[in-house]
Amino acid sequence: EVQLVESGGGLVQPGGSLRLSCAASGFTFRSYWMTWVRQAPGKGLEWVANIKQDGSEKYYVDSVKGRFTISRDNAKNSLYLQMNSLRAEDTGVYYCAREPDAFDIWGQGTMVTVSS
Amino acid sequence: QAVLTQPSSLSASPGASASLTCTLRSDINVGTYRIYWYQQKPGSPPQYLLRYKSDSEKQQGSGVPSRFSGSKDASANAGILLISGLQSEDEADYYCMIWHSRTWVFGGGTKLTVL
Repeated sequence: EVQLVESGGGLVQPGGSLRLSCAASGFTFRSYWMTWVRQAPGKGLEWVANIKQDGSEKYYVDSVKGRFTISRDNAKNSLYLQMNSLRAEDTGVYYCAREPDAFDIWGQGTMVTVSS
Repeated sequence: QAVLTQPSSLSASPGASASLTCTLRSDINVGTYRIYWYQQKPGSPPQYLLRYKSDSEKQQGSGVPSRFSGSKDASANAGILLISGLQSEDEADYYCMIWHSRTWVFGGGTKLTVL
């Protein structure tokens, strides 16, 4: 079964850090671009970042540039999002998704809450 | 002005058709973009529905019924998701998306109510 499972979310104070993980199974992880999308409570979807198959290309939404870093470990079939200098507006559910073109497979998401 | 604009809500009756629009900012031409559509139900991650650029370049998501289809209205600079034969299970939020300036951009979403 093709599956993505996120982990690492939680409650963090403003200015703090979190590292999200996304474990992939059921497909050849190293063959796909991968992406992170977030959704603030009651709000719409916002794309956060994506990464090429070999990690050589990465793109970010402007609001996270310089604070978030996307990475992957193809040997571990895992995608990561290192989030630093977190702000209240970073609060939301973070989804990882497979990106062959469209985002065709999504995880269930992990909740990140930035609050004091 | 937002890159992609969607009406916040739309209502339609069971069995009818619903046309959901995704209007591109005036300085970007809908004709040059692939437009992607997603459906999201409460408490669930989004699901990919389809991609549309033209009648000769389109893709239906795996397992997505043919009553979901895409098109464009060049005069309105908009992408359109058409849902025919509406069912109660189609009640959901719908998002459009494009790849623009090396980023993925989502529209704000349309909440479709079937009543």
